[in-house]
Amino acid sequence: GENVEQHPSTLSVQEGDSAVIKCTYSDSASNYFPWYKQELGKGPQLIIDIRSNVGEKKDQRIAVTLNKTAKHFSLHITETQPEDSAVYFCAASNYRDDKIIFGKGTRLHILP
Amino acid sequence: DGGITQSPKYLFRKEGQNVTLSCEQNLNHDAMYWYRQDPGQGLRLIYYSQIVNDFQKGDIAEGYSVSREKKESFPLTVTSAQKNPTAFYLCASSKDPTGAKNIQYFGAGTRLSVL
Repeated sequence: GENVEQHPSTLSVQEGDSAVIKCTYSDSASNYFPWYKQELGKGPQLIIDIRSNVGEKKDQRIAVTLNKTAKHFSLHITETQPEDSAVYFCAASNYRDDKIIFGKGTRLHILP
Repeated sequence: DGGITQSPKYLFRKEGQNVTLSCEQNLNHDAMYWYRQDPGQGLRLIYYSQIVNDFQKGDIAEGYSVSREKKESFPLTVTSAQKNPTAFYLCASSKDPTGAKNIQYFGAGTRLSVL
C-alpha cells in the first residue's frame, strides 16, 4: 500500500522568511496530493492541493511542487506570518482507492 | 451552517467502559472516516464508510466499532478492548472519495482521556 514520508517533523523559521516542507510517496499510481493545516485544538483544513498532471500550483503565499519521477512533492510558504504557525500534513491518494494516506505532520513555528 | 460536528469535545473513559463519539455531517457526503491522532504519529485511519449500512476497517480498527445507519451520522465506539484509548479523534467526510479529488472535511475533534 501507499506510504507517505514527511520531513522535517519540526521547523522553526523567522517571521518573513520562507518555509519548505517535503514529502515522498511510494505508490506510483498516486495522482492527487493535498496539504492540510491543523491549528491547535482544531481539525485539519485543506489549504492547497495538486494533481499529478501539474508540476506546480500557487495560491498567494503558498505553493506546491510535484516531481512524479522522483515521487516527491513539497509545500512552500513565503513571507511567513505568525498565523502560519500550525501543524501541516501532506497526503496522497489515487483513483483506485477511497482513502488518502497522510504523512506524520510538520510542526511549523514562526519566530518573531 | 454546513459542516461536520463532533461531540463531545472532551470525553473521559473509566476502566472497562465503552464510550461513543458522535459525528454528524450536513454536507450530504457519502463517505465518512474516523482517524486517531497521537503526537508524532499523524492521522491513522480507524474505520471508514462509503455508503449507508456499509463500512470497512482501516489500519487500526482493533478495539473500535462503528455503525452507519444514516447518511449523516457515523458514530465511533471505543470499546474496553482498546487498551490505550487516550488520543485525539477526528471525523471526516468526503463527497467523492474515488473521484479526481478526495477532499476530506474534518470536524473539530474529540479528545478522549482515561480516568
